[in-house]
Amino acid sequence: TAGITQAPTSQILAAGRSMTLRCTQDMRHNAMYWYRQDLGLGLRLIHYSNTAGTTGKGEVPDGYSVSRANTDDFPLTLASAVPSQTSVYFCASSSGLDNEQFFGPGTRLTVL
Amino acid sequence: AQSVTQPDIHITVSEGASLELRCNYSYGATPYLFWYVQSPGQGLQLLLKYFSGDTLVQGIKGFEAEFKRSQSSFNLRKPSVHWSDAAEYFCAVRGFQKLVFGTGTRLLVSP
Repeated sequence: TAGITQAPTSQILAAGRSMTLRCTQDMRHNAMYWYRQDLGLGLRLIHYSNTAGTTGKGEVPDGYSVSRANTDDFPLTLASAVPSQTSVYFCASSSGLDNEQFFGPGTRLTVL
Repeated sequence: AQSVTQPDIHITVSEGASLELRCNYSYGATPYLFWYVQSPGQGLQLLLKYFSGDTLVQGIKGFEAEFKRSQSSFNLRKPSVHWSDAAEYFCAVRGFQKLVFGTGTRLLVSP
């Protein structure tokens, strides 16, 4: 099985432009998450979704939005990108809040 | 609020030597604890987890971790490191509707 796929693998984006990072899982997990990883800061939660139709804010939600129209997909949108959003973005999913999270391969985003 | 501290940013270990990566957590109740490994350019993979029961937890790739409530620690160990273990290691604790990660420890393995 594919597990979690993310697209694109990498992207260079001009400041002020919008961008949607895609995340799809085929494990029928209820919960999904978006993290950003920055050197020296580890992984920080941006947004999460406990189940289809619900979303919640993480530690660093400003400048990002998410939607969860169905179980499998959890896109992350940057409405107007800024250079501080240059990062590696990881999508993850889990079958429940107490269970391990499975991570996608990441999207490397550079905002110039 | 829950937090995780990994005090070592980098650790270098000789191949074949033993390894211990430190993790301290802050959590009011019984914690759910995890160790993940990230190889260069890859996502995170779960090594092991602790929810309850035996405080010595066995994981994949020969890793183990010991939960010590009195020290608020969950240190990761491996008796003999292989060159392929070079990676970044993250400790995490379950918070409210999320995992809280430490900042990671980068393991370098010297020949």
